[in-house]
Amino acid sequence: EAGVTQFPSHSVIEKGQTVTLRCDPISGHDNLYWYRRVMGKEIKFLLHFVKESKQDESGMPNNRFLAERTGGTYSTLKVQPAELEDSGVYFCASSLPTWGDETQYFGPGTRLLVL
Amino acid sequence: RKEVEQDPGPFNVPEGATVAFNCTYSNSASQSFFWYRQDCRKEPKLLMSVYSSGNEDGRFTAQLNRASQYISLLIRDSKLSDSATYLCVVEGSGGSNYKLTFGKGTLLTVNP
Repeated sequence: EAGVTQFPSHSVIEKGQTVTLRCDPISGHDNLYWYRRVMGKEIKFLLHFVKESKQDESGMPNNRFLAERTGGTYSTLKVQPAELEDSGVYFCASSLPTWGDETQYFGPGTRLLVL
Repeated sequence: RKEVEQDPGPFNVPEGATVAFNCTYSNSASQSFFWYRQDCRKEPKLLMSVYSSGNEDGRFTAQLNRASQYISLLIRDSKLSDSATYLCVVEGSGGSNYKLTFGKGTLLTVNP
C-alpha cells in the first residue's frame, strides 16, 4: 500500500513568490495534518483536516498560509507571499478515522528554501 | 517552558550499549504519548506508543509516569541501525485530540 506522498520534494523560491505544496494521504485516511520544522526548532503542528473540513488550524502562522482539501482527498498548502522565515521542511501526515488506528503516518516532506 | 522537553544530546554509544532517553511534558491534560524515530533527512516514523503500565518491544522499553509528566525510552543492546534522532511526542494537548506536539529530538549515534 502506498504511503503518504508529497510534492515537490524540494522547492527553492525567492522572497515574495508563491509556492504550493501538495500532499496525498494514504487511501481511506480521513484525517490529514500539516506540520513544519524550521531549522533548529522542533516539528510543529500547522493544521488538521477531517475529510474536507478544517478541524483545527491553530498552528497556522499567519494569513499568508492557506490550506485546502477539496473533495477530502489530497491537500494543498499555499504560501503567498513567501518570506525568508518560511524556510523549513513541511510534513504532511494522515491517519484513519476515529474508530481506527489513530497512528499518524508521515510523508517524506517538502524542503522549502526561501531566498 | 516548552511543551515537550528532551535530553539535548547528542548521544554517542558503542554497539551493545544500553541508552536511555528522557522526556518531560508540561500539559497534564495530554492523552497519548509516543516515541518516533527520524532518520537523517527522512520523515518521522512511529517507534512505539507509551503507556502508564510500561511497554516493551524487543530491545525497546518505554515508560510513562503521569504524576511526574515524564516519559522514557530505553534501548538495550544497541545496534548500528539504531542510529537516528528519537522524538518524544505528546498527543492531545492544547485542546486538540489529534494534534501531535514534538520534542526537539535527541540524536543517537551507535558506533562500531
